[in-house]
Amino acid sequence: GENVEQHPSTLSVQEGDSAVIKCTYSDSASNYFPWYKQELGKGPQLIIDIRSNVGEKKDQRIAVTLNKTAKHFSLHITETQPEDSAVYFCAAIPSLEKLTFGTGTRLTIIP
Amino acid sequence: SAVISQKPSRDICQRGTSLTIQCQVDSQVTMMFWYRQQPGQSLTLIATANQGSEATYESGFVIDKFPISRPNLTFSTLTVSNMSPEDSSIYLCSAGGLNTGELFFGEGSRLTVL
Repeated sequence: GENVEQHPSTLSVQEGDSAVIKCTYSDSASNYFPWYKQELGKGPQLIIDIRSNVGEKKDQRIAVTLNKTAKHFSLHITETQPEDSAVYFCAAIPSLEKLTFGTGTRLTIIP
Repeated sequence: SAVISQKPSRDICQRGTSLTIQCQVDSQVTMMFWYRQQPGQSLTLIATANQGSEATYESGFVIDKFPISRPNLTFSTLTVSNMSPEDSSIYLCSAGGLNTGELFFGEGSRLTVL
């Protein structure tokens, strides 16, 4: 089955700086890669996703890049703000169901 | 996107009892899943809730412990049976469309077993 590794497990960034979280996956059949943000006491919220036919996708301060050859994808957050502090999960899906999640990154934005 | 409501949002239960968690989606969805998230951990898939038929369980999870129902396209329940303190966790319902691949999550049900 699919295996997703995520790094780093914790990340502290000065407000206004950029944050990058990286994930690798094992199943070359995976074709959909979402990112979720989970705030304390809440369920995961889908913030951006990318499909295998696209190399990069951007939505305001958030971008995701995908390298299918190397089997890795990354989340980039620019101009970080305190409200970006949360746990971020990457995921990969090799078929039309069954997301496999990474281990999570706790992002802390330092004011 | 789909709005997913779960209840209860939290509960404290006694060892040996059972609790049923309900999940309601505001639109018809193809796929519904149940996940478990232990404190500080990632999400682990328990099972896929299949409409009108038995759920499909992942390795390590069995129907006797986690019976699941899905009577229609917008509603599912997960029961945690014969609970022990090890079952203390957050249980999350997710739902989405088969074609889009996008999955959305409820706010979770935080279960504490004493």
